Amino acid sequence: AQSVSQHNHHVILSEAASLELGCNYSYGGTVNLFWYVQYPGQHLQLLLKYFSGDPLVKGIKGFEAEFIKSKFSFNLRKPSVQWSDTAEYFCAVNGITGGGNKLTFGTGTQLKVEL
Amino acid sequence: NAGVTQTPKFQVLKTGQSMTLQCAQDMNHNSMYWYRQDPGMGLRLIYYSASEGTTDKGEVPNGYNVSRLNKREFSLRLESAAPSQTSVYFCASSVTLSENQPQHFGDGTRLSIL
Repeated sequence: AQSVSQHNHHVILSEAASLELGCNYSYGGTVNLFWYVQYPGQHLQLLLKYFSGDPLVKGIKGFEAEFIKSKFSFNLRKPSVQWSDTAEYFCAVNGITGGGNKLTFGTGTQLKVEL
Repeated sequence: NAGVTQTPKFQVLKTGQSMTLQCAQDMNHNSMYWYRQDPGMGLRLIYYSASEGTTDKGEVPNGYNVSRLNKREFSLRLESAAPSQTSVYFCASSVTLSENQPQHFGDGTRLSIL
């Protein structure tokens, strides 16, 4: 079975600070990895995804994530956050089992960016 | 660009009442999903439908039924609502059931059961 851990449940940053949100997964095989963002009162939106190739992936709004296979990690980063980045961030994993698109989500990290 | 549309957005039920949550997508996606989101637990898959005419259980299917009415619509039914089913419900869709297909989510239905 696959699982995802997001270690930071609540993060508070000042504008222009750098961001790194941790995500570790548990699965023995090949994985697809995703970061979704949920702005207050809105639906989940895909931020970025990793399937294969370059382990450093770039997403929308200046976000990027690095897949480190040896550490089973897929941390999300942004060099300089903005107030509008206040949202909840979910890491998700999809193990390649042939059993279908069954995402396992982490418990989420609530990010608050202060002016 | 409607994407995935869920109705209703909010609902309050009494224990034992029944309710159907509606979901429709206009992206011509084959696969659809229902999740519930609870504080501190992320999203958990209730049921999914690989394609029109098929449905399968996810991680937490007990107390729910689903119907894939056609390619566009995938409904979730609570036959006898329980307080433990108080949650935010999200519908999602993807092009296929392939693991590398990102899922697109609706705005959610906030359901409270008293």
